Amino acid sequence: GQNIDQPTEMTATEGAIVQINCTYQTSGFNGLFWYQQHAGEAPTFLSYNVLDGLEEKGRFSSFLSRSKGYSYLLLKELQMKDSASYLCAVMDSNYQLIWGAGTKLIIKP
Amino acid sequence: TAGITQAPTSQILAAGRSMTLRCTQDMRHNAMYWYRQDLGLGLRLIHYSNTAGTTGKGEVPDGYSVSRANTDDFPLTLASAVPSQTSVYFCASSEGAGNTIYFGEGSWLTVV
Repeated sequence: GQNIDQPTEMTATEGAIVQINCTYQTSGFNGLFWYQQHAGEAPTFLSYNVLDGLEEKGRFSSFLSRSKGYSYLLLKELQMKDSASYLCAVMDSNYQLIWGAGTKLIIKP
Repeated sequence: TAGITQAPTSQILAAGRSMTLRCTQDMRHNAMYWYRQDLGLGLRLIHYSNTAGTTGKGEVPDGYSVSRANTDDFPLTLASAVPSQTSVYFCASSEGAGNTIYFGEGSWLTVV
């Protein structure tokens, strides 16, 4: 079966760095997405990786290793507004997105 | 910019009643999707449409139907609601299958 695993919850301190991991087993691979979802709101697109390596976008970076079925989202200089759930999703061979359950990130002052 | 508009924002529905959740996008995207999101579970695809006039079943299609008469609209109908359909429903769209998906604001549905 297809599976996306990510931690249920993480806690970090304002101003610090946090890494949210995602491992996947899917039927084929056509890219990995990270979305941010604040409580009670819709998911919003953060990043897309299809090749191995690091993609940097401001305070957020996303890494992919296709051979290991692994990705992480790195958030630097954490701000209180970064408190949200972070969703990992993989696009399979049929171009359908398989979603993880999300990681709830709690930022403490 | 409007993007994707869903209606209603929230609704309480008696079991056995029918309900249509509306979704309209103004981005001229070819592909549209309906997801449900439940606590502790990932987003689950109900139905999708890769282009106007075509639809397909997702992971959890039972109890739901969709139509795609034109590019902009993709309504989701619950023919006879059951309490297990209590959820938040997100409509989404992408330029084409395989492109980045963008979400509407969601419709919170409670079936009692």
